[in-house]
Amino acid sequence: TQLLEQSPQFLSIQEGENLTVYCNSSSVFSSLQWYRQEPGEGPVLLVTVVTGGEVKKLKRLTFQFGDARKDSSLHITAAQPGDTGLYLCAGETGGFKTIFGAGTRLFVKA
Amino acid sequence: GAVVSQHPSWVICKSGTSVKIECRSLDFQATTMFWYRQFPKQSLMLMATSNEGSKATYEQGVEKDKFLINHASLTLSTLTVTSAHPEDSSFYICSAKKGPGYTFGSGTRLTVV
Repeated sequence: TQLLEQSPQFLSIQEGENLTVYCNSSSVFSSLQWYRQEPGEGPVLLVTVVTGGEVKKLKRLTFQFGDARKDSSLHITAAQPGDTGLYLCAGETGGFKTIFGAGTRLFVKA
Repeated sequence: GAVVSQHPSWVICKSGTSVKIECRSLDFQATTMFWYRQFPKQSLMLMATSNEGSKATYEQGVEKDKFLINHASLTLSTLTVTSAHPEDSSFYICSAKKGPGYTFGSGTRLTVV
């Protein structure tokens, strides 16, 4: 069974703090996506990483794809209350099957 | 960008009735759409893959007679929860793929009373 382990499951921090969310697997992914979901809404795609070692930045969010394309991280700098939500990673295998992580629920307190 | 519209956003139905949820790709054609179920504070659980013009592919443990999927056109897939019971209450989300990554609908909160 292919798994994508996401950690931490829950994170509550103060506004201005930094945080990192991790996704790890024993499987190699052809691409990996990060999504953010707000309550009562569907997930929204933040970024797709494809190349091993790739780093992408989206304002205060930095996404990294592991060299072996088995893991990824999302780092948020100076978190704001608007960053609150469920962050999901999803890895696509060579067989075009997508595996979702269990999600990290982030709460940023003002 | 790719837009997926899901309707209704929420629905309350009586136990034993059926409910239909629609998922439309607005600006692109989607030969494949995906249906998920999400319990409170949990991640997405893939229920089935909807294929245009053919039968849906259900994940293990998902009752195909309970959750009927129809993908009659390249822009519309429907999920019908038949003979709904309170345990079917959940947040249902559809998605379609255009390029890398998925575009998700806004979800449907189903409450069965």
